[in-house]
Amino acid sequence: ETGVTQSPTHLIKTRGQQVTLRCSSQSGHNTVSWYQQALGQGPQFIFQYYREEENGRGNFPPRFSGLQFPNYSSELNVNALELDDSALYLCASSSGLDNEQFFGPGTRLTVL
Amino acid sequence: RKEVEQDPGPFNVPEGATVAFNCTYSNSASQSFFWYRQDCRKEPKLLMSVYSSGNEDGRFTAQLNRASQYISLLIRDSKLSDSATYLCVVNPSGAGSYQLTFGKGTKLSVIP
Repeated sequence: ETGVTQSPTHLIKTRGQQVTLRCSSQSGHNTVSWYQQALGQGPQFIFQYYREEENGRGNFPPRFSGLQFPNYSSELNVNALELDDSALYLCASSSGLDNEQFFGPGTRLTVL
Repeated sequence: RKEVEQDPGPFNVPEGATVAFNCTYSNSASQSFFWYRQDCRKEPKLLMSVYSSGNEDGRFTAQLNRASQYISLLIRDSKLSDSATYLCVVNPSGAGSYQLTFGKGTKLSVIP
């Protein structure tokens, strides 16, 4: 296993609600990236955090936001949930911006 | 044009067969290239990086053609355990940024 953990594993929400997903990076890793994987698609880059600062963002609206904490764990927050937000949310950590990313098992979000 | 395009699949092959996956990418400035493997309902895992000189890891061979913006993966002597979805992945950013762009993936089923 990679040592990257995510919580919760599964989550069911209704449209309009807000959700917070959590990721603990592998020991020694200071970079966390978040990806959204819809059914039958490849993961799509949401954003990346490096030493508590956002270091790049994909094509996602502002209602997707994040944080990285001093221990390099991270949160993904999604406001005003929409049905299309139903997906597997993956976080990946790395020991630097140019290094291999290791993925966690993901959080499966269902929006009803 | 999508950033990373892969063969649609699925590929159903008998054990022992050789199978090839192809992928094209649109951003000619892309810096690094990978193949990931994703088992059903699991996170993606790095299979191998892809270099211009080509690289081999056991039964797996990856090739990169920068002029054609084309990446390939060859699997020889397929095993049942090779059954998975294979994701072509590109880092379109330069140094200091590692934001992976994934293809949709190609599903491989190796049949006894």
